[in-house]
Amino acid sequence: EAGVAQSPRYKIIEKRQSVAFWCNPISGHATLYWYQQILGQGPKLLIQFQNNGVVDDSQLPKDRFSAERLKGVDSTLKIQPAKLEDSAVYLCASSSGQGIIFREQYFGPGTRLTVT
Amino acid sequence: QKEVEQDPGPLSVPEGAIVSLNCTYSNSAFQYFMWYRQYSRKGPELLMYTYSSGNKEDGRFTAQVDKSSKYISLFIRDSQPSDSATYLCAMSVIQGAQKLVFGQGTRLTINP
Repeated sequence: EAGVAQSPRYKIIEKRQSVAFWCNPISGHATLYWYQQILGQGPKLLIQFQNNGVVDDSQLPKDRFSAERLKGVDSTLKIQPAKLEDSAVYLCASSSGQGIIFREQYFGPGTRLTVT
Repeated sequence: QKEVEQDPGPLSVPEGAIVSLNCTYSNSAFQYFMWYRQYSRKGPELLMYTYSSGNKEDGRFTAQVDKSSKYISLFIRDSQPSDSATYLCAMSVIQGAQKLVFGQGTRLTINP
């Protein structure tokens, strides 16, 4: 079974530029997550989708970050304009659904963003 | 106060040692407790999960949860150089979105 795919793996941009990350989850996984992991910290959830609907975006800085999952499969996370503090690894994860049964989240390799 | 606190280390031990990694938490609604392992430049991978209080063993790894103290631990026996990684504890409530809240991560090095 193929894992979660992310691209690009690395990106360097200047502050105030825009950037987009792409994620393709494991086939059949209805739930997709975007996390931000700043160096030396644990991942922090930015947004969670169930199919193509947003379940939780309470920690997404909506003035500069946006995300979509139009067809309920792959997803794009955008930052516009970027700030220095956005330098981090952006991780995408997917799971088979929600509910009271434990659902393992499978993580992609991440996109390492450096803002200069 | 953070919901989940984890000593960032770094922790360096000789091969074969027993390693103890710990997290504390403040949200009593957490019911699922997980340990993830993250190698350099890779995404986290689930090592073990437990539901509510108690112990769970998987090979050289034992996860322990004490809900009364809001404290979880991961023990690694007969540690190997391949265990060198960052270990992240994570927790979630049992229902709905199962949003994960991670600790800071502990960087572990096993020296041959």
